[in-house]
Amino acid sequence: KAGVTQTPRYLIKTRGQQVTLSCSPISGHRSVSWYQQTPGQGLQFLFEYFSETQRNKGNFPGRFSGRQFSNSRSEMNVSTLELGDSALYLCASSLGLAGEVDEQFFGPGTRLTVL
Amino acid sequence: AQSVAQPEDQVNVAEGNPLTVKCTYSVSGNPYLFWYVQYPNRGLQFLLKYITGDNLVKGSYGFEAEFNKSQTSFHLKKPSALVSDSALYFCAVRDPFSLSGGSYIPTFGRGTSLIVHP
Repeated sequence: KAGVTQTPRYLIKTRGQQVTLSCSPISGHRSVSWYQQTPGQGLQFLFEYFSETQRNKGNFPGRFSGRQFSNSRSEMNVSTLELGDSALYLCASSLGLAGEVDEQFFGPGTRLTVL
Repeated sequence: AQSVAQPEDQVNVAEGNPLTVKCTYSVSGNPYLFWYVQYPNRGLQFLLKYITGDNLVKGSYGFEAEFNKSQTSFHLKKPSALVSDSALYFCAVRDPFSLSGGSYIPTFGRGTSLIVHP
């Protein structure tokens, strides 16, 4: 069974640009959660999508948005990039809602560097 | 609200020696606790979980963790460390019976870098 895949693996952008990251969950999984990982803050929850609906949202500004398609694939968009957005963005999939299952499966992440 | 703390940014241990990576938590009810490991350029991999039952939980790659309710801790342990265990370890907690910030999403610690020296 294929794992969670994320594309692209690496991105370099400049301040003010926007970026779209993609995540394909494990087949059959309906929940996709997004996390931002930085050395100082660890993993911080961005949002979760389930059956094409945003079900939970963390404390991030509106520049961070996402969506989920009918095949459960999800995209995350960050507009007007700031230097502080440089991070590893992780996607995790699960059969049910992240708050109701015992395990999430993580992708390898997208390393975003903002110059 | 739920929270988790990993008090050590880095743990150094010699190969063959026992290792411990510390985690303490705070929840209003009974916690569900998890350990994940992250190798360089990889996503997080699930190691083990405590839901209920025996306080000593065994997981992947020879790791185990001990749930201590009175000390609100869930330390990760391994009897004999390997160089290949060097990685970033994350503890996570969720309270399945109490909304935290409006959801039951697990909260992750900041991570502890484990370095095993040959």
